[in-house]
Amino acid sequence: EIVMTQSPATLSVSPGERATLSCRASQSVSSNLAWYQQKPGQAPRLLIYGASTRATGIPARFSGSGSGTEFTLTISSLQSEDFAVYYCQQYNNWPPRFTFGPGTKVDIK
Amino acid sequence: EVQLVESGGGLVQPGRSLRLSCAASGFTFDDYAMHWVRQAPGKGLEWVSGISWNSGSIGYADSVKGRFTISRDNAKNSLYLQMNSLRAEDTALYYCAKDMGLEPSHPFDYWGQGTLVTVSS
Repeated sequence: EIVMTQSPATLSVSPGERATLSCRASQSVSSNLAWYQQKPGQAPRLLIYGASTRATGIPARFSGSGSGTEFTLTISSLQSEDFAVYYCQQYNNWPPRFTFGPGTKVDIK
Repeated sequence: EVQLVESGGGLVQPGRSLRLSCAASGFTFDDYAMHWVRQAPGKGLEWVSGISWNSGSIGYADSVKGRFTISRDNAKNSLYLQMNSLRAEDTALYYCAKDMGLEPSHPFDYWGQGTLVTVSS
């Protein structure tokens, strides 16, 4: 099973600042990596897929990069609505197996 | 507008069964794979199971294999999860999620609001 890790567990950022979140896979997942945002009491929302492609309706301040085992989600200028938990997910397996990272909580500094 | 509405959750005793349903609308249901994802209280996301557009490809997490069965009825635009031999560790909010493709091998672009399953005596 591919194990996903995320760092840091919590990131304290001031509004307007840049946030950089990391995700690592225990083995290569190529570019089969997605990022989700989850706010309290809400379902997750797809932000990024294919490691760097923004999903429909996602603002340009969200960007993803990386391939293989190392990935990064960058939020260029944090808005109040961006404070949430962010999960990475790999989808590189067949038969179907999906694993999520443990999440990074982005909170207000 | 894509809508996924889960139902069937509730309080159940350990060892008993429960069947979850997900009603889909706003897209061509039989053009996409579907998934169940769960989230224990205060915890992260765990993929449970996925099924292809025609039920030809199915996958399960090791934690539920042999106990849970995913199925779909394309005529009714519905996804199901039959959960048997339930354990306390199955307690979670269960989300229905739409895959981006025909086979269950892509990210999940739409999610329902979830149905809560509590396993306790």
